[in-house]
Amino acid sequence: SYELTQPPSVSVSPGQTARITCSGDALPKQYAYWYQQKPGQAPVLVIYKDSERPSGIPERFSGSSSGTTVTLTISGVQAEDEADYYCQSADSSGTVVFGGGTKLTVL
Amino acid sequence: QLQLQESGPGLVKPSETLSLTCTVSGGSISSSSYYWGWIRQPPGKGLEWIGSIYYSGSTYYNPSLKSRVTISVDTSKNQFSLKLSSVTAADTAVYYCANTIIAARLEVWFDPWGQGTLVTVSS
Repeated sequence: SYELTQPPSVSVSPGQTARITCSGDALPKQYAYWYQQKPGQAPVLVIYKDSERPSGIPERFSGSSSGTTVTLTISGVQAEDEADYYCQSADSSGTVVFGGGTKLTVL
Repeated sequence: QLQLQESGPGLVKPSETLSLTCTVSGGSISSSSYYWGWIRQPPGKGLEWIGSIYYSGSTYYNPSLKSRVTISVDTSKNQFSLKLSSVTAADTAVYYCANTIIAARLEVWFDPWGQGTLVTVSS
């Protein structure tokens, strides 16, 4: 079955740039989507179609794609950005797949 | 602005059927723009897509759960529902309903999500 691979954790200091990667063989052909999940809350979409930002999401959140890896970048990280981040895509049959999640810690 | 709210029993016995309902407000479930989906998250673990439905009743499911899942829609109540049969402890999770956007084939994402409801499978 298709898998998306994320690092379990990323740590950054406030004001620094956080980069969270997601790797998958189909990503050159399929879009990726990113969700932020804070403890006890539902996930929130922060990036769609690799790099599009929904309304209401701060400009410091951006996405990019290169080959089999997509990257969520958070510029000027703030304490409120501490959360779990999940990438999501679909395989060739249309089955939706999520990455295992990355815990972002703001030091 | 769309809002979704899950409801249903928080405790289900092993081998029985889990049943949840999602009520949509702020928009019509019959909108041609949207599908409606279910996603779950076991405690302390990641997200797993269960399946999605169009207002017409057209469904598609995660192959890993397909044999046990039924998703249905009630347009008169602006609700859609999940049934998961023959549950075990492994089905203990927070269950989320979500608006599913399908922009084109294989372009699928979820926004917004309901707050989620914890379902525990235990005797």
